[in-house]
Amino acid sequence: DGGITQSPKYLFRKEGQNVTLSCEQNLNHDAMYWYRQDPGQGLRLIYYSQIVNDFQKGDIAEGYSVSREKKESFPLTVTSAQKNPTAFYLCASKGQGRAGAYNEQFFGPGTRLTVL
Amino acid sequence: AQSVTQLDSHVSVSEGTPVLLRCNYSSSYSPSLFWYVQHPNKGLQLLLKYTSAATLVKGINGFEAEFKKSETSFHLTKPSAHMSDAAEYFCVVSDYKLSFGAGTTVTVRA
Repeated sequence: DGGITQSPKYLFRKEGQNVTLSCEQNLNHDAMYWYRQDPGQGLRLIYYSQIVNDFQKGDIAEGYSVSREKKESFPLTVTSAQKNPTAFYLCASKGQGRAGAYNEQFFGPGTRLTVL
Repeated sequence: AQSVTQLDSHVSVSEGTPVLLRCNYSSSYSPSLFWYVQHPNKGLQLLLKYTSAATLVKGINGFEAEFKKSETSFHLTKPSAHMSDAAEYFCVVSDYKLSFGAGTTVTVRA
């Protein structure tokens, strides 16, 4: 069964702590993405990676970090520098076709992070 | 630069009546356009996509959308709403990354 998994589903963090969200895919996709979702704002891109060992900042990268050591894994760390981290975080991946930009992204089930 | 505007933040319909969700886009290139659906506390599921083939695109669960280049629109429709259609819907435009609309919440009255 191919797909994207995110863990944990719910995560609670104290202020000042770093926390890492997991994203794993077995779709053999090259590209992976992290989004943040807040009510009424749609999804905003945090970071993305087109290939292993390479990643780029998205629109709201401040206070976040990522790594891409393996094709199937793209963990996101929410650092203490992120001032308002409470949100729903979604991971996605996209395969490369004859016209890679036209392929849809596949989404994981999300992680809801709450800062206490 | 590309962007998406969903014209309605909330749509309420009665079960069995048509659903219309409006989306306008801007893009410097010939765009790829998508509609995704999200049920509460879940990930996003692709409903349908436009990739410069037929302008009328049929998707899952009876949804379809029509690409109108002259109006820069990609509205989503369904002839008869079902209770299970209650969810949030996102219109998305794509080049190397996706740009999301703010979403339209659909409620379905019995």
